[in-house]
Amino acid sequence: QLQLQESGPGLVKPSETLSLTCTVSGGSISSSGYFWGWIRQPPGRGLEWIGSMSYTGTSFYYPSLKSRVTISVDASKNQFSLELSSVTAADTAVYHCARLWVVTDIPIAFDIWGQGTMVTVSS
Amino acid sequence: EIVLTQSPATLSLSPGERATLSCRASQSISNYLAWYQLKPGQAPRFLIYDASNRATGIPARFSGSGSGTDFTLTISSLEPDDFAVYYCQQRHSWPLTFGGGTKVEI
Repeated sequence: QLQLQESGPGLVKPSETLSLTCTVSGGSISSSGYFWGWIRQPPGRGLEWIGSMSYTGTSFYYPSLKSRVTISVDASKNQFSLELSSVTAADTAVYHCARLWVVTDIPIAFDIWGQGTMVTVSS
Repeated sequence: EIVLTQSPATLSLSPGERATLSCRASQSISNYLAWYQLKPGQAPRFLIYDASNRATGIPARFSGSGSGTDFTLTISSLEPDDFAVYYCQQRHSWPLTFGGGTKVEI
């Protein structure tokens, strides 16, 4: 059964870059029919989709974050990553990695999620 | 972007009772709606896609309905494991968006 596990620093300073990695186990990141991406949940608030990418490089991002977000897929390591630049306290959140089930690049649903990792932005 | 509004924010029920959760879209999204269950410290669980299709392994007590702008997630008889926060999410158009969540509590 495919599983996702987030890893990365739990504390990032303001104006720096948040970097997280999601390791895929029990399956291949190169499987067709899926995108790989990130969703966050600020404390006391709802879920916010950040972006998703296929292993071939097709990507979609949340518009207000697009200028600061980079998602990359490393098929050789079966991992994908998130970089969010110029962070502020508003970026403090639990960050989940998630597999997005797609059909011919049309999204269906986030069918597998990681349990999430808390990232705090503070000096 | 499409805004999803969930109601109520909190639903206080007992095991064995029926839970009815609502999700309303700011514009018609056909049946392109999914539901998820979140518990602290756990990976979120995918429940329903395209408004009414249960994901693999999801018990029959979970059912979804609706189309256009109004959607419902029903849990026919709450079990102790069902007390959690539930989110709806639309796939009609990018960016993908979620509702604000409904907490089902004892």
